[in-house]
Amino acid sequence: QKEVEQNSGPLSVPEGAIASLNCTYSDRGSQSFFWYRQYSGKSPELIMFIYSNGDKEDGRFTAQLNKASQYVSLLIRDSQPSDSATYLCAVCRGGQFYFGTGTSLTVIP
Amino acid sequence: DAGITQSPRHKVTETGTPVTLRCHQTENHRYMYWYRQDPGHGLRLIHYSYGVKDTDKGEVSDGYSVSRSKTEDFLLTLESATSSQTSVYFCAISADPTEAFFGQGTRLTVV
Repeated sequence: QKEVEQNSGPLSVPEGAIASLNCTYSDRGSQSFFWYRQYSGKSPELIMFIYSNGDKEDGRFTAQLNKASQYVSLLIRDSQPSDSATYLCAVCRGGQFYFGTGTSLTVIP
Repeated sequence: DAGITQSPRHKVTETGTPVTLRCHQTENHRYMYWYRQDPGHGLRLIHYSYGVKDTDKGEVSDGYSVSRSKTEDFLLTLESATSSQTSVYFCAISADPTEAFFGQGTRLTVV
């Protein structure tokens, strides 16, 4: 069983819509949770982190964590074409970061 | 890129040769990581370090070694490069660990 699982997509949404990205993790000992954005040919860029159950909002981004269900999600409101990228979910446990394979998002103008 | 520099950025090498990739940070972060990224596999941890001379293996450590003699430098060595090690290699750093920040990546091709 993989540490972190994501739907690979591709996910397409129209400009201005809400994009919803989901992730599950296998180990209940995971302590902190992250969303990274990666443009093609570039390095991953941290966009959100969350440590506690519930929602965390930062601008157009909202991260949601449900430890009981071992589920993390990222909502992108008012999606823009510049949001088109691969989104990586990651968890941290014991000093190590474990990454999902990423979900490809395309925002259609 | 949060004060992280990887070198070289691109390298082509022959099968069987040793290769060393360097990660240099100016953030004084305790944790440093080497990942490889391949299509369909995502980011996989090769080795990581939690302090000077303190290193540990990750998920895909076979064929790789690391060294960290100074806080700011973390070296990844492919002892005898193989075609299966053709990949994009990313270094990352983290303070506590909390968030991890990535370098620009090194594209390695083994021919």
